[in-house]
Amino acid sequence: DTGVSQNPRHKITKRGQNVTFRCDPISEHNRLYWYRQTLGQGPEFLTYFQNEAQLEKSRLLSDRFSAERPKGSFSTLEIQRTEQGDSAMYLCASSFYRGRSGNTIYFGEGSWLTVV
Amino acid sequence: QKEVEQDPGPLSVPEGAIVSLNCTYSNSAFQYFMWYRQYSRKGPELLMYTYSSGNKEDGRFTAQVDKSSKYISLFIRDSQPSDSATYLCAMIRYYTGNQFYFGTGTSLTVIP
Repeated sequence: DTGVSQNPRHKITKRGQNVTFRCDPISEHNRLYWYRQTLGQGPEFLTYFQNEAQLEKSRLLSDRFSAERPKGSFSTLEIQRTEQGDSAMYLCASSFYRGRSGNTIYFGEGSWLTVV
Repeated sequence: QKEVEQDPGPLSVPEGAIVSLNCTYSNSAFQYFMWYRQYSRKGPELLMYTYSSGNKEDGRFTAQVDKSSKYISLFIRDSQPSDSATYLCAMIRYYTGNQFYFGTGTSLTVIP
């Protein structure tokens, strides 16, 4: 079991630059989630995919943010024209959705973004 | 009002103490409840998963759900310094499987 893998683990970028994070979910999991977490706060939902379809996006996900999951495998989260307020840990999680039986999500180690 | 409320602490206890961590929520539609442990600068790690009301025990950890009071708890027996972390509660509605609602986390330090 390789778990959810995220990279890069840390990224420092200048304001205005674009950054991209990658997430490789647990292999048999069909759902993939992106969350953002700032210091002293719980994770906040950004978006999720079921297979390759992006089914929901939070209002937190401004038009500078875009996420993809081609072929329902790995996912990327791109932030364009970064702002200092984007500094946070970006968490990826995956789950095997079992319909009405509910599901639990398993997180990766997170990708820390610092915008200077 | 936030959907999930959790006292941020910090909570400091001596080794061997029983720790009680709690969350309250406002939406009675929540059916599934989880506790995650998060070490500094790491991703959350799933500890316990419970469905609806009742207790669930796993080793030194017991998760308790009281749906009538909209209150969930995590008890840690014989606490160890390695339990020092932030504990996050999370919950999800039955009919939607996408959005997990998290508390802000309680910071716990177990002193040797």
